[in-house]
Parts: sequence; structure tokens; C-alpha cells
Amino acid sequence: EAGVTQFPSHSVIEKGQTVTLRCDPISGHDNLYWYRRVMGKEIKFLLHFVKESKQDESGMPNNRFLAERTGGTYSTLKVQPAELEDSGVYFCASSLETGLADNEQFFGPGTRLTVL
Amino acid sequence: DAKTTQPPSMDCAEGRAANLPCNHSTISGNEYVYWYRQIHSQGPQYIIHGLKNNETNEMASLIITEDRKSSTLILPHATLRDTAVYYCIVTHSGAGSYQLTFGKGTKLSVIP
Repeated sequence: EAGVTQFPSHSVIEKGQTVTLRCDPISGHDNLYWYRRVMGKEIKFLLHFVKESKQDESGMPNNRFLAERTGGTYSTLKVQPAELEDSGVYFCASSLETGLADNEQFFGPGTRLTVL
Repeated sequence: DAKTTQPPSMDCAEGRAANLPCNHSTISGNEYVYWYRQIHSQGPQYIIHGLKNNETNEMASLIITEDRKSSTLILPHATLRDTAVYYCIVTHSGAGSYQLTFGKGTKLSVIP
């Protein structure tokens, strides 16, 4: 069974440019999460989809970040315009929908974003 | 969210059991204890979780105290590949979102 995949693995862009990260969850997983780790900091939650709906976007840092999950399958996270402080590793995770807090999350390998 | 406290680092000899402690004294009755690890720069990897009872799987054992205020992750025979940062996480239980709140974790070094 394929795990969570993310594309690209690395992205280097200049300040002010736009970048779109993609996540493909494990097939059949309704829940999809985005997290990120910026330099020297802890891994932080960004948002949570249940199918195509945003369940919780309390961790999104500002309106330069836009996440979508059309059709409830893969998800994209767009940063526009990118700023230097957006550099870090962006992780995606997915889990089955059980309705309980008994729901392990499976993480992808991450996308390393560098904003110059 | 219930907060967790872990030692910043630990060493373990290869082949010996690694016992990683975690304090979560403010845990509420419906919150689970999860353990994840991150090997180098890979994505976090799920290890095990539990609510009240001790749990065991092919990777590890989880011992939760009766008052649920602390737990211990046990890797029975540590190998060099178990060198990683281990995170003890109490699940956020509000608003139907089960976001994971990562702390600094414990950096486990398995020594040959």
C-alpha cells in the first residue's frame, strides 16, 4: 500500500513568488492534515480537512496561505506571495475517519521550502 | 491541550531496552497518549498510542500509570536505526479536530 506522498521534495523560490505544494494521502483516508516546521522551531499544525471540507484551519499563519482539497482526494497548499519566514519543511499527514481521538496519522516525507 | 514534559535527550546501548518517560499530569479523561518519532529529516512516524491500558505492538510497548499522569515508551531491543527524536503527544480533543501538538521531544541516541 502506498503511503502519503508529497511533491515536490524540495522547492527553492525567491521572496514574492508563488509556490504550490501537493499532498496525496493514503487511499481511503478522509482526514488530511498539513503541518510545518520552520527553522529551529517545533512542528506546528496548520489545518485539517475531512474529505473536501476544512475542519480546522486554526494553525494557518496568515492569508498568504491557501489550502484546497477538491474532490476530497489530494490537497494543495499554496503560498502567495512567499516570504523569507515561510522557509521550512511542510508535512502532510492522513488518517482514517473514525470520529474518535483514536486515529493515528501517517506522515509524508515532507517538502523542504526555501525562500531566498 | 494537555501539555507533556520529556527529557531533552537520552542514550541507550544497542541491544538494550530504551525506556522513554513522559509526564502529562493535566491529561483529561478522554485524551489519548500518542508516541511518534522523527528519524533525521524524515516525516514523523507513528509508533503507538493508548488511553488507559498498557499497549504493545511490533515496534514498542506503552506503559501508562494508573492515574494517567505519566507514561513510558519502551523499545525492547534498541538498534542504531532507532536513533531519532521521540515525541509524546496528548491528543487535542476539541472541535472534532485531532491535530497533533508536537513539543521538543526526546532525542534518543542508540550507541554501538
